[in-house]
Amino acid sequence: QLVLTQSPSASASLGASVKLTCTLSSGHTTYAIAWHQQKPEKGPRYLMKLNSDGGHNRGDGIPDRFSGSSSGAERYLTISSLQSEDEADYYCQTWSSGIRVFGGGTKLTVL
Amino acid sequence: QVQLVESGGGLVKPGGSLRLSCAASGFTFSDYYMSWIRQAPGKGLEWVSYVSSSAGSIYYADSVKGRFTISRDNARNSLFLQMNSLRAEDTAFYYCARDAPRSTYGLDAFDIWGQGTMVTVSS
Repeated sequence: QLVLTQSPSASASLGASVKLTCTLSSGHTTYAIAWHQQKPEKGPRYLMKLNSDGGHNRGDGIPDRFSGSSSGAERYLTISSLQSEDEADYYCQTWSSGIRVFGGGTKLTVL
Repeated sequence: QVQLVESGGGLVKPGGSLRLSCAASGFTFSDYYMSWIRQAPGKGLEWVSYVSSSAGSIYYADSVKGRFTISRDNARNSLFLQMNSLRAEDTAFYYCARDAPRSTYGLDAFDIWGQGTMVTVSS
């Protein structure tokens, strides 16, 4: 079964960096994923697509403070130079024929 | 600019029906798969259904199978979700999203989201 696992919460200080993790289920460790950001009371926003080799393509207008990397079944979103506006929920998402899957989301708090 | 705008949400009684619409602009609608995703209050994102670019392939989450019907009108750049036999647990914001390009055979990320429309199922 295709499942994405995320930690429910994370926090980091203003100006620091944070690395969020999304873990693919066994048997699906080569899948690409996407990262989406959702600010309070807003719809989600596509950040990037992230391949198993760590290659990633940011969406239009997404600053290069947002980057992706991969290791085995893990897919990472790193946000550097944290700003208060980065406080949001972050969801990973993947796909296969007949199904689309979301992780449970990580709530990022900027201290 | 590339845009998706949902409409049709509202308050409906359990067992009732509602039809959501999503108007697309700024891109060649017929070149993309399209999806509906929902988010219950205070909860995470849940994929609901997708339709291929030509409407030849359609899939649903188990939670809505047999009750919801996705469709599209490529001539009108529009996506629809007919929701029947609604339950309290269907209460959520419903988002449409641009899914994979036709060229990827339906295997790519959501890259454009609408602002959502709220559906409340309550007596």
